[in-house]
Amino acid sequence: GENVEQHPSTLSVQEGDSAVIKCTYSDSASNYFPWYKQELGKRPQLIIDIRSNVGEKKDQRIAVTLNKTAKHFSLHITETQPEDSAVYFCADSGGSNYKLTFGKGTLLTVNP
Amino acid sequence: DTGVSQDPRHKITKRGQNVTFRCDPISEHNRLYWYRQTLGQGPEFLTYFQNEAQLEKSRLLSDRFSAERPKGSFSTLEIQRTEQGDSAMYLCASSLDGGPYEQYFGPGTRLTVT
Repeated sequence: GENVEQHPSTLSVQEGDSAVIKCTYSDSASNYFPWYKQELGKRPQLIIDIRSNVGEKKDQRIAVTLNKTAKHFSLHITETQPEDSAVYFCADSGGSNYKLTFGKGTLLTVNP
Repeated sequence: DTGVSQDPRHKITKRGQNVTFRCDPISEHNRLYWYRQTLGQGPEFLTYFQNEAQLEKSRLLSDRFSAERPKGSFSTLEIQRTEQGDSAMYLCASSLDGGPYEQYFGPGTRLTVT
């Protein structure tokens, strides 16, 4: 909720390298943090999420970490592939259980 | 296809005309959300429904915008007297009740106001 800052705005990596995208939030009541992947002309697709009662969550090559003290959370993609190229958005629900506030997105390009 | 669907996918209209978009959520989802996305930005929350009740409207939703979900299933978003600034992608999402739960998005309706 309120404000979500996302960095970097663009990220270019070589295939096989790791990619990290970071977001910071301002609402201390925030308790749910999803990440979406959006390919050009397509819908935002939920790829992973984390709730405030855990510090890390993994799903194959994707992981998300959460630091509630510092109010930031990060998306980690390992062994990147060209099909990982897309815009990635972080979001948080603030203190609500319905409204998502999104970052401005990171354009990830994986070069073969 | 059991995902969220939206209709139409594209709409071109002249300034001053009214437009209406439809969203069909995932069938077991009680919550339905409307977001707006402009080029290079993340989606912005507009409004949401729990069953047929509209529970919050963003300040982004001017008086020219109205949304309904009369039977707690599909929803419509109407924009009256469209303006060029209304040009955007209008996204619908749905989720289970309670939560916060995962929100699943539809393909969007791209509106172009000329």
